[in-house]
Amino acid sequence: KQEVTQIPAALSVPEGENLVLNCSFTDSAIYNLQWFRQDPGKGLTSLLLIQSSQREQTSGRLNASLDKSSGRSTLYIAASQPGDSATYLCAVKTGANNLFFGTGTRLTVIP
Amino acid sequence: EAGVAQSPRYKIIEKRQSVAFWCNPISGHATLYWYQQILGQGPKLLIQFQNNGVVDDSQLPKDRFSAERLKGVDSTLKIQPAKLEDSAVYLCASSLVSGGYEQYFGPGTRLTVT
Repeated sequence: KQEVTQIPAALSVPEGENLVLNCSFTDSAIYNLQWFRQDPGKGLTSLLLIQSSQREQTSGRLNASLDKSSGRSTLYIAASQPGDSATYLCAVKTGANNLFFGTGTRLTVIP
Repeated sequence: EAGVAQSPRYKIIEKRQSVAFWCNPISGHATLYWYQQILGQGPKLLIQFQNNGVVDDSQLPKDRFSAERLKGVDSTLKIQPAKLEDSAVYLCASSLVSGGYEQYFGPGTRLTVT
């Protein structure tokens, strides 16, 4: 069964710092990997989706990489801002069905 | 384009009562998902529909949970009777089709069972 782990569970950084969030998964047979943002009491907002054939995706200050063979993905956030404070979830899609989620990294960016 | 709509946003019930949640997916999305997110955990899939047919309900506690998508558009998720451990956020998502397509999530319904 697919298991997804995110490290660290929580992270506090000063504004302006670059940071990396980590995600690992046990079964490399994935369709894609998706990074989400979740604000308190809200649903999930998709940030980046990387297909299994891709190595990375970029959107603004965000860059996500995927190393399928080693079962790892990283989300890089450049020049962090207080508005980036949220929980970041990664999820992998296996087969044609559901997403397997990690437990998330709670990010706090201190002004 | 309008996103995934869910209602109610919050619900408080006593254990052994019944509750129902509603979801309206993005127009044209054939696949609809219901997830359960317990506090401090990632969402867990409960059921996936492709149009009005069930694709995966392997993690749905069928003794108390039921879901339907009669016309292949809106969906309802019901819990009867509720238990304390059902307290969670229930998220609905939709995608164009299943497979490698991006899922879009609604705001969720926060259920508290007392």
